[in-house]
Amino acid sequence: QVQLQESGPGLVKPSQTLSLSCTVSGASISRGAYYWSWIRQHPGGALEWIGFIYYTGSTYYNPSLESRLTISMDKPQNQFSLRLSSVTAADTAVYYCAREIFYDGGVYFDFWGQGTLVTVSS
Amino acid sequence: SSELTQDPAVSVALGQTVSITCQGDSLRKYSASWYQQRPGQAPVLLIYGKNNRPSGTPDRFSGSSSGNTASLTITGAQAEDEADYFCNSRGSNDFYPRFFGPGTKVTVL
Repeated sequence: QVQLQESGPGLVKPSQTLSLSCTVSGASISRGAYYWSWIRQHPGGALEWIGFIYYTGSTYYNPSLESRLTISMDKPQNQFSLRLSSVTAADTAVYYCAREIFYDGGVYFDFWGQGTLVTVSS
Repeated sequence: SSELTQDPAVSVALGQTVSITCQGDSLRKYSASWYQQRPGQAPVLLIYGKNNRPSGTPDRFSGSSSGNTASLTITGAQAEDEADYFCNSRGSNDFYPRFFGPGTKVTVL
């Protein structure tokens, strides 16, 4: 069974950088066919796609976050990570990592982490 | 536009049938996927593609689409189906990004 687990600080100060990691078990991030994604859920409940990284290292970001965002991967550790700079209160959310499957007909996220709450506050 | 819209809330009597809709231009070209989220839990994939259920999704859940609208139907709603339901699709013109609908709260009476 594929499992994903987010980790990282739960509190970040405004203007600083939010850093999270996602450890994957039951699947290799070095294998093609999957896109390793970050998604966040704002306090009101809305889900927002952040971006993903492919096993080649190629990344695709939400244009609204692209200027502040870096997604990277550590293949030996089977982890991928998120860095979001210059955070504000609007970045307070539950952050999920997930596995995406992309096909001609669309996309879907078949496995999700449990999520981690990140609060931006001084 | 690649945005997706959903009704904020619907209710259904126990054992009855309810449909949740998701509208957006990208749905004319790409299939929606549907997720169930119970309070305090991560979303769970329910339906993807034309009407594909991952193992573990009860067969009372089904998906369909027409034009710019995708639908999720619960036939014979159970108490445990009370949850939020989100649709998702990729953008209609670009390889990325992906979009989620705002979610529909389903209440089982």
